[in-house]
Amino acid sequence: KQEVTQIPAALSVPEGENLVLNCSFTDSAIYNLQWFRQDPGKGLTSLLLIQSSQREQTSGRLNASLDKSSGRSTLYIAASQPGDSATYLCAVDGGGYGNKLVFGAGTILRVKS
Amino acid sequence: GAVVSQHPSRVICKSGTSVKIECRSLDFQATTMFWYRQFPKQSLMLMATSNEGSKATYEQGVEKDKFLINHASLTLSTLTVTSAHPEDSSFYICSARDPLSGLTSDTQYFGPGTRLTVL
Repeated sequence: KQEVTQIPAALSVPEGENLVLNCSFTDSAIYNLQWFRQDPGKGLTSLLLIQSSQREQTSGRLNASLDKSSGRSTLYIAASQPGDSATYLCAVDGGGYGNKLVFGAGTILRVKS
Repeated sequence: GAVVSQHPSRVICKSGTSVKIECRSLDFQATTMFWYRQFPKQSLMLMATSNEGSKATYEQGVEKDKFLINHASLTLSTLTVTSAHPEDSSFYICSARDPLSGLTSDTQYFGPGTRLTVL
């Protein structure tokens, strides 16, 4: 059974700092991995998706890497801003029927101004 | 991108009553929708996969008689929490997959969620 773990559970940084969020998964046989952002009481916004054959994806100040063999992914946020404050979730898709996503518990990020 | 809506966004009900939550794909037809539950400070847990015109597939440990799912059309899936109790209080999120975009999860679009509080 696939399990996804995110470290740290919470992170507080001053504005402008670069930061890294970590995600690990137990079964390396994944189809892809996604990073989502969730604001309090809201739904999910997809940030980046990395296919299993890819090593990284970039969007603006965000960069996500994937090391499938070791079961790890990182989300790098450059020059953090208060507007980045949210919960960041990673989810893996094991492929197969239904393409179910297995989510980590998330990292709560607070960027202080 | 594609838009998925949920209604209501927030509902408070008395213990023992039933609550229906709607999930709609607004600009695409979704043959498959997913229902998730999220407890405070916890991750999203998949409850069931809803397929248009057929019975939903429930995850292990989810009571199908308590959480009734109906996917009667290509743009609407409903989740009914029957005889709700305080422990059912949670944040329910649906997602919908656009079949025209392929069969990968990158085409899952998430709704804004419904906060259910059972008194």
